[in-house]
Amino acid sequence: DAMVIQNPRYQVTQFGKPVTLSCSQTLNHNVMYWYQQKSSQAPKLLFHYYDKDFNNEADTPDNFQSRRPNTSFCFLDIRSPGLGDAAMYLCATSSRETGSNIQYFGAGTRLSVL
Amino acid sequence: KNEVEQSPQNLTAQEGEFITINCSYSVGISALHWLQQHPGGGIVSLFMLSSGKKKHGRLIATINIQEKHSSLHITASHPRDSAVYICAVRRGGSQGNLIFGKGTKLSVKP
Repeated sequence: DAMVIQNPRYQVTQFGKPVTLSCSQTLNHNVMYWYQQKSSQAPKLLFHYYDKDFNNEADTPDNFQSRRPNTSFCFLDIRSPGLGDAAMYLCATSSRETGSNIQYFGAGTRLSVL
Repeated sequence: KNEVEQSPQNLTAQEGEFITINCSYSVGISALHWLQQHPGGGIVSLFMLSSGKKKHGRLIATINIQEKHSSLHITASHPRDSAVYICAVRRGGSQGNLIFGKGTKLSVKP
């Protein structure tokens, strides 16, 4: 059974129209990450939550926001998507308590911007 | 220069061949991950290493901390091994996050 679930798998939005991507986990992990991966590039960390503590990467545009209403769910909000935001968005989780450092990834949401 | 470099970028092999993918990094790390990404995007964690060698089925991963180098080997390769293999490191002393290599795209021909 999938442990990190991302919805939807494919999302099409219009230039400038807000969009929200969803991630849920059944692992009860305290850390959740959002990565952006553009074609033929390595995934790039946007931000992560350690419990409710939000940690933004310095170069993440303000256009990208995140919410974590509870342990299981984390959302990525793109307030005004541009053509350059078309990418695969990956959610991952890990548990700092176990010290394992293994990140569990979802299947990703591929975002297209028209 | 990227902090994590992988080679080769692209690799084509015949079914049954022994495959090696290399990863070099320039920062102090607490762990190194090998990940597999199939077309469609989902990423699967294959190994996490901090020293030595790990084996899982036909996959073997090694790391040399002194040389800041890791290798991923696939024995008796199969077309279903075709994927992008990504090396990622976690900085030593950091509570964050992974620094990714650009990946090695492997195609195994029948």
